Amino acid sequence: EPEVTQTPSHQVTQMGQEVILRCVPISNHLYFYWYRQILGQKVEFLVSFYNNEISEKSEIFDDQFSVERPDGSNFTLKIRSTKLEDSAMYFCASRERKNQPQHFGDGTRLSIL
Amino acid sequence: QKEVEQNSGPLSVPEGAIASLNCTYSDRGSQSFFWYRQYSGKSPELIMSIYSNGDKEDGRFTAQLNKASQYVSLLIRDSQPSDSATYLCAVKGGGADGLTFGKGTHLIIQP
Repeated sequence: EPEVTQTPSHQVTQMGQEVILRCVPISNHLYFYWYRQILGQKVEFLVSFYNNEISEKSEIFDDQFSVERPDGSNFTLKIRSTKLEDSAMYFCASRERKNQPQHFGDGTRLSIL
Repeated sequence: QKEVEQNSGPLSVPEGAIASLNCTYSDRGSQSFFWYRQYSGKSPELIMSIYSNGDKEDGRFTAQLNKASQYVSLLIRDSQPSDSATYLCAVKGGGADGLTFGKGTHLIIQP
């Protein structure tokens, strides 16, 4: 069964450094998402991306965050200057069409020191 | 502010019994409703989706939706120890693209 794949599985970064999290959505999917889950808390929506542009973003997704689809397969989340509170699991998700469910990748655990 | 509420549990159910998980949501314009299962340290895994009022069955799982009451539930029949996990209710609001998740209900199936 096709899967959303995320790399790396664990990223450790010094506070203030830039980090890029990578995702390969399911190949025929058109809608892409990033979520985060701080340890012990609920999954929170960050941003959605369709047709090469952001379609929706949450209050969490401030100017420190950006997303890009640099080629036909990858979807990336960049955090420009990481803070301690950015430590979380980051999940990429994708869906094929409107009103179809989103399928999640295994996540990247981001640890900011 | 869109809210999705779930009882955090733990909900303890004997093996073979029916587990009943509940969720309420605040946005009346919500259109799509999902149940995800999340094992500790893992990603959300889609269990069920439901879009219209009534029941939807898939194997041992039944999702129920009542838009008038803003209520979604998930029934798990013949519960197995492998069903022990946190169950996340997720809602897609009207006009929104991202999902709003509840905090999840921790389900424990006792052998």
